Amino acid sequence: DTGVSQNPRHKITKRGQNVTFRCDPISEHNRLYWYRQTLGQGPEFLTYFQNEAQLEKSRLLSDRFSAERPKGSFSTLEIQRTEQGDSAMYLCASSLGAAAKNIQYFGAGTRLSVL
Amino acid sequence: DAKTTQPTSMDCAEGRAANLPCNHSTISGNEYVYWYRQIHSQGPQYIIHGLKNNETNEMASLIITEDRKSSTLILPHATLRDTAVYYCIVRGSGTSYGKLTFGQGTILTVHP
Repeated sequence: DTGVSQNPRHKITKRGQNVTFRCDPISEHNRLYWYRQTLGQGPEFLTYFQNEAQLEKSRLLSDRFSAERPKGSFSTLEIQRTEQGDSAMYLCASSLGAAAKNIQYFGAGTRLSVL
Repeated sequence: DAKTTQPTSMDCAEGRAANLPCNHSTISGNEYVYWYRQIHSQGPQYIIHGLKNNETNEMASLIITEDRKSSTLILPHATLRDTAVYYCIVRGSGTSYGKLTFGQGTILTVHP
């Protein structure tokens, strides 16, 4: 069990550019979650997958955001035409299922800075 | 998911017990109480969770009141490394539940 892995750890981009983040969940975890955290706030839910199916999307996930989990393993989160307001920590979590005993384990996050 | 209320910040002396309160007066019967903490620049770390009975693990104890409207996370012997933001979260169980809803949390500072 190597934990949830996120890459890159840091990303600096210019406004208007596209960025993509990757999340590798804990092996055999069928649920994968994306959260966003801005400075001084708690993490906010963006979306989650069960296997390859995207089951819920937050209203925070504008049309510029897209997430995929094509084979039910790793996931990518893409932001198109980045804006300065997209600057945040993007966190990924995974769990074995939805029951209370199936804890969500978080990765270290990808910190995005949009200049 | 029910809303939670936590103090903004707390202090604790190293070696003493840290008792972090959480109010969740609108909790419903099938909702669990989870605690996570987040050390600066890291992802949230799971601590403990419970439904109605008190729980203990190697990290902490969780005391839930009989009416389930509030709970307390206890770190029995706080160390400097326990300085972090602590989040109390209420979440339902079952396949229809997914996300965790984080509030602002409590900033715990452990002093030497």
